[in-house]
Amino acid sequence: GAGVSQSPSNKVTEKGKDVELRCDPISGHTALYWYRQSLGQGLEFLIYFQGNSAPDKSGLPSDRFSAERTGGSVSTLTIQRTQQEDSAVYLCASEIDRGIQETQYFGPGTRLLVL
Amino acid sequence: AQSVTQLGSHVSVSEGALVLLRCNYSSSVPPYLFWYVQYPNQGLQLLLKYTSAATLVKGINGFEAEFKKSETSFHLTKPSAHMSDAAEYFCAVRAAAGNKLTFGGGTRVLVKP
Repeated sequence: GAGVSQSPSNKVTEKGKDVELRCDPISGHTALYWYRQSLGQGLEFLIYFQGNSAPDKSGLPSDRFSAERTGGSVSTLTIQRTQQEDSAVYLCASEIDRGIQETQYFGPGTRLLVL
Repeated sequence: AQSVTQLGSHVSVSEGALVLLRCNYSSSVPPYLFWYVQYPNQGLQLLLKYTSAATLVKGINGFEAEFKKSETSFHLTKPSAHMSDAAEYFCAVRAAAGNKLTFGGGTRVLVKP
């Protein structure tokens, strides 16, 4: 079946511009995560959605970062007024249920470069 | 709080030799542990996971890992390296009451012919 998809695969933007990154999870998966992979910080958690519950935003690095999940499916991560330190690969993962034994399935990522 | 340490950011092995990637974790509760592999320009793919059923876990592509509580370790091994094993490997921990994965720094494996 189809896996997690993300778009765009690459994004180049100028400092100060806003960007939107999209994630389409596996159909039927109720949990969705965003992670960021950067040279300096490694892989770090950003935000987590589970069903209709309030998202866990504890990993968002600043108030310039926000995310939403519409209809319990597609998610959009928005970065406002981008900075060069936002350059990274943004990975989305989905999971079938809120279970610690479950597997998070990752998308290919969006590579963001802020000039 | 939980953390993961992967010893060695780069490992070079000869084709056919043993692959050993080290992972140590810190967790205040019994953890669930995962190994993921990332090939160039791709997302993360699950190799195997420990969920308390058995301490020796077998995964895909001939990899296995052993959970050792006394050593707080979850090292990944493969008896014979193949050229296709060249990738970056990440160990991750998930606390019993949490949801996010906490990752180690990753180990990049180079396989020499």
